[in-house]
Amino acid sequence: RKEVEQDPGPFNVPEGATVAFNCTYSNSASQSFFWYRQDCRKEPKLLMSVYSSGNEDGRFTAQLNRASQYISLLIRDSKLSDSATYLCVVNRGGYQKVTFGIGTKLQVIP
Amino acid sequence: EAQVTQNPRYLITVTGKKLTVTCSQNMNHEYMSWYRQDPGLGLRQIYYSMNVEVTDKGDVPEGYKVSRKEKRNFPLILESPSPNQTSLYFCASSAGVSTEAFFGQGTRLTVV
Repeated sequence: RKEVEQDPGPFNVPEGATVAFNCTYSNSASQSFFWYRQDCRKEPKLLMSVYSSGNEDGRFTAQLNRASQYISLLIRDSKLSDSATYLCVVNRGGYQKVTFGIGTKLQVIP
Repeated sequence: EAQVTQNPRYLITVTGKKLTVTCSQNMNHEYMSWYRQDPGLGLRQIYYSMNVEVTDKGDVPEGYKVSRKEKRNFPLILESPSPNQTSLYFCASSAGVSTEAFFGQGTRLTVV
């Protein structure tokens, strides 16, 4: 089993739709979780950190489910500008390594 | 402006010719790392450094070397590049392993 797994997509959704991505992780000791956004051929940039209590930033909501070992990202009212690849990132507890998921590609269509 | 600078952005080289990709950050970050990104495989960590003179292997270190003589610089060295090292490389820095990482713009390397 991979340490971090994501559905690569692509997810093709119409403007205004709500879309959700999940990311599962295998190491129960993992401590830090993030969602990054990567535009085509560009560097990844932090979208949001994921906290145990869940967190929201405008149209974006991130949640952590430790019991089932997954994190989720919900995007409401999708915009064309949301088209990108969304990377799930996990820091494995007790180690200084960082593991990225393969990324989920989102295409918002007019 | 806070940034991570990688050079060169594009590089085509021949098998066996040693090369260095430079990475510099101006945010006084302690944690720096190198990744390679390949289609279908995502970003994979090559090496990381927790501070000056402290480096350790990531998930795919074979064929690479790094050094951290100064806090701001973390060069990636390919002593004898091979075609399977053709990839998109990113350098990143952060205050710690559990904090936001800032990435350089990437280096697209082709080894022929």
